[in-house]
Amino acid sequence: QVQLVESGGDVVQPGRSLRLSCAASRFTFSNFPMHWVRQAPGKGLEWVAVISFDGSDEFYADSVKGRFTISRDNSRNTLYLQMNSLRTEDTAVYFCARGGFTVTTISNSWGQGTLVTVSS
Amino acid sequence: DIQMTQSPSSLSASVGDRVTITCQASQDIRKYLHWYQQKPGKAPKLLIYDASTLEAGVPSRFSGSGSATDFTFTINSLQPEDFATYYCQQYDRLPLTFGGGTKVEIK
Repeated sequence: QVQLVESGGDVVQPGRSLRLSCAASRFTFSNFPMHWVRQAPGKGLEWVAVISFDGSDEFYADSVKGRFTISRDNSRNTLYLQMNSLRTEDTAVYFCARGGFTVTTISNSWGQGTLVTVSS
Repeated sequence: DIQMTQSPSSLSASVGDRVTITCQASQDIRKYLHWYQQKPGKAPKLLIYDASTLEAGVPSRFSGSGSATDFTFTINSLQPEDFATYYCQQYDRLPLTFGGGTKVEIK
């Protein structure tokens, strides 16, 4: 059974930075694209970013482009999301999810989420 | 970006009812639509992919249909464990986009 465990969520002030991690296990991490999806409190789901299986391609939602960076370390089976210049509207639970055969697909494997609260 | 319009945003139903949710895409997404179920405090669970294919282990009372821009999700004979929020999501192209969700509540 695929396992994805996010960490790094915290309370931070607007304008500050935070890095999230997603530890993957029980599958060959280096074979799959990986996504970040977020959900603001009481709101719907919003796709954030995807990275290709080898890290050579990254794509972002317009709402985070230029502020967030997705990356991965296939030797450590870990996905990252570096979040800079945080805004109050970035407050959300952040989920990592395993991709499918292409960067446009998401599988049924999601982590439990980590909460990021941006507040002064 | 492709906009996904999901309706209704909420509904009340009884155990045993048939429930139908619709999702409309602003552009042709062919068959590339997911339906998810999400319960409070949990990650979304994929129920249907490619608009109509049931994910392994998902009960057959769940079904999906449609293509291009118009899609339908149905729960036949609603069960107590089905009370949750449901989302559609297109994966024809990036950025991936979700519908606004439908909260299915107990009548």
